[in-house]
Amino acid sequence: DAGVIQSPRHEVTEMGQEVTLRCKPISGHDYLFWYRQTMMRGLELLIYFNNNVPIDDSGMPEDRFSAKMPNASFSTLKIQPSEPRDSAVYFCASSLLRDSEAFFGQGTRLTVV
Amino acid sequence: DAKTTQPNSMESNEEEPVHLPCNHSTISGTDYIHWYRQLPSQGPEYVIHGLTSNVNNRMASLAIAEDRKSSTLILHRATLRDAAVYYCIRKSGGSNYKLTFGKGTLLTVNP
Repeated sequence: DAGVIQSPRHEVTEMGQEVTLRCKPISGHDYLFWYRQTMMRGLELLIYFNNNVPIDDSGMPEDRFSAKMPNASFSTLKIQPSEPRDSAVYFCASSLLRDSEAFFGQGTRLTVV
Repeated sequence: DAKTTQPNSMESNEEEPVHLPCNHSTISGTDYIHWYRQLPSQGPEYVIHGLTSNVNNRMASLAIAEDRKSSTLILHRATLRDAAVYYCIRKSGGSNYKLTFGKGTLLTVNP
């Protein structure tokens, strides 16, 4: 397996634009997580899914953020409208079971200007 | 609230053992201790995890204190590739699955 695949690796967008980040988890993994990493706040869990169902979205900063998982092999994190303070590295991770190790993607570096 | 305490940074020499400490004094009986590391410009990578007994794998060893209020990640022979931020995470064994990262320990390995 190629691991967790995220796209794009880098995204630069203007304030106010819609941004969509994509994630393909490892095949067969039932859990999918979205994290955000900044220098100030470190790694923050935004939302996680179990069997394509959102379980905990308490980390989503505001209504501008939304995440979907239409099937077991694909998830998106959308920011609309984007703001400069959304600039960060966004990681997607997946795991087979609730207590098993999580595998992280390479991340998407988002810059909002 | 990451619920664990780690030194901000540590330094080691190549090919020497490294002991990375973690304090989790408020741990509950069902909480697991997980360790992840993050190499520069990469996503976090799983290292090891345990509940009560010491654990070994190809990457490292995890020594858990008898009272479970602290643990130590042991890298037996540090290499330059081990330079990373190491995160000690207390993960609930309950129904709410969350991996909450703190600030971690920045390990520098000197040649």
